Amino acid sequence: AQSVTQLGSHVSVSEGALVLLRCNYSSSVPPYLFWYVQYPNQGLQLLLKYTTGATLVKGINGFEAEFKKSETSFHLTKPSAHMSDAAEYFCAVSGRNTGNQFYFGTGTSLTVIP
Amino acid sequence: NAGVMQNPRHLVRRRGQEARLRCSPMKGHSHVYWYRQLPEEGLKFMVYLQKENIIDESGMPKERFSAEFPKEGPSILRIQQVVRGDSAAYFCASSTPAGRGWNEQYFGPGTRLTVT
Repeated sequence: AQSVTQLGSHVSVSEGALVLLRCNYSSSVPPYLFWYVQYPNQGLQLLLKYTTGATLVKGINGFEAEFKKSETSFHLTKPSAHMSDAAEYFCAVSGRNTGNQFYFGTGTSLTVIP
Repeated sequence: NAGVMQNPRHLVRRRGQEARLRCSPMKGHSHVYWYRQLPEEGLKFMVYLQKENIIDESGMPKERFSAEFPKEGPSILRIQQVVRGDSAAYFCASSTPAGRGWNEQYFGPGTRLTVT
């Protein structure tokens, strides 16, 4: 069975500071991993994904994430937060052997302080 | 190049009424997924459909909920005899067929259902 844990339902950072959003997964086999962003009253937008190959993945808006198999983690980072980064962030996994169903974490709300 | 369309965006129903949520996938996409987001929670998978076929409905409640994706027209998520606990945001996503076990899902803006 697949599951996703996002530590910290609310994260606040100052503008210009490092953003670190944590995601750990549970899976019997290495999964496919995703980060989505959700702005208020909108749908989810894909930030980045890991499927195979290089474990450091770069996404849109300056975000990146690193797949660490030994830690079963896929933390999302951005070197310098911008006010426009304030949103809800969801980590998701999809199984290599279980079709296309996505399992989402409970989300992390990011606040950027000016 | 329209994305995934959902309507209505907001739906208010009284307890016991029926709710119908519609989803039009992106052009060229033949697979549709429905997710439910309860307040303060992540998205929970409900059902995965392709045209005229339900592929995986393991996340659907056993009663009152049904989904279809006809040959023509949008996918419909139907909730009969709604209760207050059905109040949530319902998101639809679409993709091309998952040729190698996964494929990126594109999400619609969601329908926010309120049951009074």
